Amino acid sequence: NAGVTQTPKFQVLKTGQSMTLQCAQDMNHEYMSWYRQDPGMGLRLIHYSVGAGITDQGEVPNGYNVSRSTTEDFPLRLLSAAPSQTSVYFCASSYSGQVVGETQYFGPGTRLLVL
Amino acid sequence: AQSVSQHNHHVILSEAASLELGCNYSYGGTVNLFWYVQYPGQHLQLLLKYFSGDPLVKGIKGFEAEFIKSKFSFNLRKPSVQWSDTAEYFCAVNSLSGGYQKVTFGTGTKLQVIP
Repeated sequence: NAGVTQTPKFQVLKTGQSMTLQCAQDMNHEYMSWYRQDPGMGLRLIHYSVGAGITDQGEVPNGYNVSRSTTEDFPLRLLSAAPSQTSVYFCASSYSGQVVGETQYFGPGTRLLVL
Repeated sequence: AQSVSQHNHHVILSEAASLELGCNYSYGGTVNLFWYVQYPGQHLQLLLKYFSGDPLVKGIKGFEAEFIKSKFSFNLRKPSVQWSDTAEYFCAVNSLSGGYQKVTFGTGTKLQVIP
């Protein structure tokens, strides 16, 4: 199993540009989520999905869109990038999301710089 | 709402010193607690987690944590650190909200081990 994969590893954008961060998992996990990691702020949940076709907002959803057309993929879209979105983005997945204490598996992260 | 506090933001230790990283949480219901580690340039990995039962939990690489319910704490310990333990450590609390897990991370503690 490849686990959780993310592309790209690093991206530079100009303010106002759009892009999609890709996330895929091959563990047949129902629950997938996106976090952003900023210095001194830990990880904050952006959006999550509990299965194909079902998504919901997390703690910091503004400026981001998600969709979940398949179990495997959970892309994160920035429609109009802003410097405040400069961060490291992590995708994570777990089996169902319905059992407290499920282990989350994290991807390697995407480092995004918005100029 | 649940929250997690990690009061030590940056800890510097010499090799062979003992380690204790503080983690306090607030939540009125049943929680599960985690410690994740992020080595430089890598993604988050699970160190250990607490479900129920024995409040002393042993994880990988010689780490352990003790759940003290009366103090709402879940401190991470290691008797003798190594240079390879240099990393950032995140405490997290997990509960069920609306039928699905809700994970909240602390702000992280950077550990630097000096040879």
